[in-house]
Amino acid sequence: DAKTTQPPSMDCAEGRAANLPCNHSTISGNEYVYWYRQIHSQGPQYIIHGLKNNETNEMASLIITEDRKSSTLILPHATLRDTAVYYCIVRVDSWGKLQFGAGTQVVVTP
Amino acid sequence: GAVVSQHPSRVICKSGTSVKIECRSLDFQATTMFWYRQFPKQSLMLMATSNEGSKATYEQGVEKDKFLINHASLTLSTLTVTSAHPEDSSFYICSARATQIGTPAGYTFGSGTRLTVV
Repeated sequence: DAKTTQPPSMDCAEGRAANLPCNHSTISGNEYVYWYRQIHSQGPQYIIHGLKNNETNEMASLIITEDRKSSTLILPHATLRDTAVYYCIVRVDSWGKLQFGAGTQVVVTP
Repeated sequence: GAVVSQHPSRVICKSGTSVKIECRSLDFQATTMFWYRQFPKQSLMLMATSNEGSKATYEQGVEKDKFLINHASLTLSTLTVTSAHPEDSSFYICSARATQIGTPAGYTFGSGTRLTVV
């Protein structure tokens, strides 16, 4: 699976949009981009995933560049409950294992 | 949506004893489950892949005789930490992926088990 690079931390004001970048320059054509988040002392929570097209669900939007070498997770209106570590993972959508990198610690402040 | 139940959420045990952690898929069948360990301020580290009806596959450096995994049914996988020592104290998390059509594409995680060995 391709390696991903994320900033170690970022702050966001409550009510504002949070834009979380992820670089995956070695991604291959059949690899998906997954996003998870982990609130302190809980199991990771699935947020969204995509292959080529931009995706949106009730939690977030995923913007993937045309060359697929990077993506951005957008939390449209951050709340204090969105404070968590966010993980960007690139992998083939098979039954295989999911490996986590260091992620981005997002802190939403009032 | 798909729910994975993990028990216990917290456990304290004496050094040298064994501890069993259960991971159940409540509303879907999971042929494959994964076990992770997470130390403070670190990311999740994959320990092993648990396959229903067959032996688990362990990641490099993980002792299979110390971390026993059993996946006896499509809804239950267990991790037993044998002869636990203080350095085994960690946050253990399981995850599963559904096999049925129409279930979420992502992996579902349990809420984790905080193990403290004293």
